[in-house]
Amino acid sequence: EAQVTQNPRYLITVTGKKLTVTCSQNMNHEYMSWYRQDPGLGLRQIYYSMNVEVTDKGDVPEGYKVSRKEKRNFPLILESPSPNQTSLYFCASSFGTANYGYTFGSGTRLTVV
Amino acid sequence: TQLLEQSPQFLSIQEGENLTVYCNSSSVFSSLQWYRQEPGEGPVLLVTVVTGGEVKKLKRLTFQFGDARKDSSLHITAAQPGDTGLYLCAGAAYSGAGSYQLTFGKGTKLSVIP
Repeated sequence: EAQVTQNPRYLITVTGKKLTVTCSQNMNHEYMSWYRQDPGLGLRQIYYSMNVEVTDKGDVPEGYKVSRKEKRNFPLILESPSPNQTSLYFCASSFGTANYGYTFGSGTRLTVV
Repeated sequence: TQLLEQSPQFLSIQEGENLTVYCNSSSVFSSLQWYRQEPGEGPVLLVTVVTGGEVKKLKRLTFQFGDARKDSSLHITAAQPGDTGLYLCAGAAYSGAGSYQLTFGKGTKLSVIP
């Protein structure tokens, strides 16, 4: 089944404790992206990657890092999480063309206390 | 950054009624995509419209792309409780280096009451 897999689904952590949210896709998509979704603000792009070893900042990159060492994986790293990073996070992948939609993961609900 | 305005923000209707959701921008998009999101899940693609004036139908859902490719609408006929969810529009614009970026609207939360 074609899918984007995120882990974990739920995570509660403390301020300053480094964490990684994993994302993997099995559709051979070149393009991958991370979004956060907050009430009243909608989906905002954090980082994206157009291919292996190519990453770029989205609209809200502060406090996040990403890497794209393999085509299928695109982990999101929070080096020193803060409470304002409490959010619902989604990974998405696509062929990156205008005509082709995104496939989203099921989301990771992160709480930073 | 392109902006997409969706209206209404919230919509509560009775089963069997019709409804229309709007997505507007001052920017031109290469395509306009519609997604539906259930609580606690990721958005799921419903349709992509590419050509100005294009109309696509998906059972009781009709999607239209404006002639100038700046706006779109989603019309649902005879809404059912299973249509309940958050409807998101997203515009694709060329971002350079052969890739496109999606900009999302904030969504329309639809509740269909049995």
